[in-house]
Amino acid sequence: QVVESGGALVHLGGSLRLSCAVSGFSASDYYMDWVRQAPGKGLEWVGRTRNKPNEYITEYATSVEGRFSISRDHSKNLVYLQMTSLKGEDTAVYYCTKVGQYYGSHAFEVWGQGTKVTVSP
Amino acid sequence: SYELAQPPSVSVSPGQTATITCSGDNLGDKYVCWYQQKTGQSPVLVMFQDMKRPSGIPERFSGSNSGNTATLTISGTQTMDEADYYCQVWAGGEVFGGGTKLTVL
Repeated sequence: QVVESGGALVHLGGSLRLSCAVSGFSASDYYMDWVRQAPGKGLEWVGRTRNKPNEYITEYATSVEGRFSISRDHSKNLVYLQMTSLKGEDTAVYYCTKVGQYYGSHAFEVWGQGTKVTVSP
Repeated sequence: SYELAQPPSVSVSPGQTATITCSGDNLGDKYVCWYQQKTGQSPVLVMFQDMKRPSGIPERFSGSNSGNTATLTISGTQTMDEADYYCQVWAGGEVFGGGTKLTVL
């Protein structure tokens, strides 16, 4: 399973780091993604850290490129989402997901319960 | 950027067949996943690679994808299937449809 933490109320322009604790599998073997959901809205992909065979390469949605970064602590089986220069539109529940790789696609197979980030003026 | 379009809402009577569509340019050339999200809960994967069901997903869920439209079909819909449903594809980044609220009444 995956368990997110670190959500909080933060001011515009501020920073926050979310954590995703992985258990039951080695995070290094999987792509790990972050997906968010603004209040009353749909799902939005935030970004990805690929697995060890793919050198943990990171990829980001255009909306967060340059402001957010994803990293890992391999010794603790943790995945992080570092968020900077936060905007009002970053207010959302942030989900950590385990990604299944299939020919031509990726599937978000395991979701955490989410952690809430609120960006206030 | 690639976009996926879903109808905002679909209604179905219990026991009937629900059809939820997802449209995008040449969508049939991509593999589509579907997620179910019940109120107050995290999303759950119900279909991957267009038509494959993860373990634990009932057989009444099926999927197809051709041309510009992917379809999630729920046969013999039950009240427990009431939820928001999202389609998703890889298109240079992961893309989600806007979601469809399925009402069973």
